[in-house]
Amino acid sequence: DGGITQSPKYLFRKEGQNVTLSCEQNLNHDAMYWYRQDPGQGLRLIYYSQIVNDFQKGDIAEGYSVSREKKESFPLTVTSAQKNPTAFYLCASSGQEHYEQYFGPGTRLTVT
Amino acid sequence: GDSVTQMEGPVTLSEEAFLTINCTYTATGYPSLFWYVQYPGEGLQLLLKATKADDKGSNKGFEATYRKETTSFHLEKGSVQVSDSAVYFCALFLMDSSYKLIFGSGTRLLVRP
Repeated sequence: DGGITQSPKYLFRKEGQNVTLSCEQNLNHDAMYWYRQDPGQGLRLIYYSQIVNDFQKGDIAEGYSVSREKKESFPLTVTSAQKNPTAFYLCASSGQEHYEQYFGPGTRLTVT
Repeated sequence: GDSVTQMEGPVTLSEEAFLTINCTYTATGYPSLFWYVQYPGEGLQLLLKATKADDKGSNKGFEATYRKETTSFHLEKGSVQVSDSAVYFCALFLMDSSYKLIFGSGTRLLVRP
C-alpha cells in the first residue's frame, strides 16, 4: 500500500537533547512538508521541500532542521534551541496537485 | 495576511442531526478551499475540495460550497453518524511560491448515539 509512515508514534526526550523524527513516503511525491499541531490550534508549517536537496523554512522553523537527501525521506530534527518542543508532529507529501496533501499518522513528542 | 477562521467547538449533536461547521477565509488571491478530517490519534485526511467560486465539494455525505461573495466554505451534512466524530479543519491554498496550506484552528465534532 502506498502511503506515508512516521516513526515512532510516541517519543519522549529530556530537555536539552536533540531528537530526529522520521518520515518516509512511497507515493513518488516530489513535495514533502512538516507541520506542528498544538491543542486547540490548527497546523503550522515548519519546513517544506519541493524537490530533493532543496527545502524552505515555513512559518515556525526556528529550533528545527531538516534534510532531503532522498525523494522518499524527509527527517525533522527538533533541536535543543526549540523552546516548546512538546507537540504533535505531522508529515505530509503532495504530487502534481500541491494542495492535495497526504498526511502520515503523526509523532507525539514529549520533552520533559 | 491570508487566514482561515472556523467556529469554535466542540459541536455536540445527536445521531441523524444536521451538521453545519462555519468557515470563512481571508486571502489576497483566488484560493482553493478544503476540508480535512482528523480522527483520534491519526493524521489528516482530505475530505472535500473546491477550486473556484460556486464549486461544490462533496464526499461521504458532506458538502461545502465555495462562496466568494461571503468568503465562506461552510461544511454541512444532512444526517451525522457516531463515526463522524472527529476534528474538522478548513484550509485554503494559494498557488504562489510557497505551496502551503493555511489551516483553521479545527472544530471538534462529537456525535452521540
